[in-house]
Amino acid sequence: NAGVTQTPKFRVLKTGQSMTLLCAQDMNHEYMYWYRQDPGMGLRLIHYSVGEGTTAKGEVPDGYNVSRLKKQNFLLGLESAAPSQTSVYFCASTSPIVLAADPSSYEQYFGPGTRLTVT
Amino acid sequence: LAKITQPISMDSYEGQEVNITCSHNNIATNDYITWYQQFPSQGPRFIIQGYKTKVTNEVASLFIPADRKSSTLSLPRVSLSDTAVYYCLVGGPYNQGGKLIFGQGTELSVKP
Repeated sequence: NAGVTQTPKFRVLKTGQSMTLLCAQDMNHEYMYWYRQDPGMGLRLIHYSVGEGTTAKGEVPDGYNVSRLKKQNFLLGLESAAPSQTSVYFCASTSPIVLAADPSSYEQYFGPGTRLTVT
Repeated sequence: LAKITQPISMDSYEGQEVNITCSHNNIATNDYITWYQQFPSQGPRFIIQGYKTKVTNEVASLFIPADRKSSTLSLPRVSLSDTAVYYCLVGGPYNQGGKLIFGQGTELSVKP
């Protein structure tokens, strides 16, 4: 299994350009997530999906759009890139595991990240 | 949204036990507490997860008091390879809105 893969690994954009980041997982996970990571700020959730054809906003959704047309893929789009979107983007996926003693729990599997620079 | 705070950095020596505490005063009833490890230029990797009391696996223990407003990750006998950033995550996929909040991370430096 490849796990979670992200394409591309690096990208440099000019302000106003658009691009799409691709996340793919081969673990048949229901849930997928897009995060951004900035120095000193940890990871912040941009958008997430709880199943094929569904998406929802996370903590910092402005300036981004997402689509989940296939269960294994989650796309993150930047329609008009801005320097404030310079960051490292991580995709993650998971499925809930029902435990006997506790409500459902989960472990997120992360991709290797995409480093995006907007000039 | 829950506010998550954890120490920015910690130093330790090989063979010592390291405890990293995370504060999450506004944790919701359905929230889980999860810890991740991250090395430079890699995605975070799952360490341990818990809901209440104590959880132990082959690499770490997680202590959660009854009020669940904090949690402590315990790494026994650290080695140089444990030098990394450790993140506390509060939330879960069944929360309304699916809110997942990461702390800012604790940079652990293990010295020989």
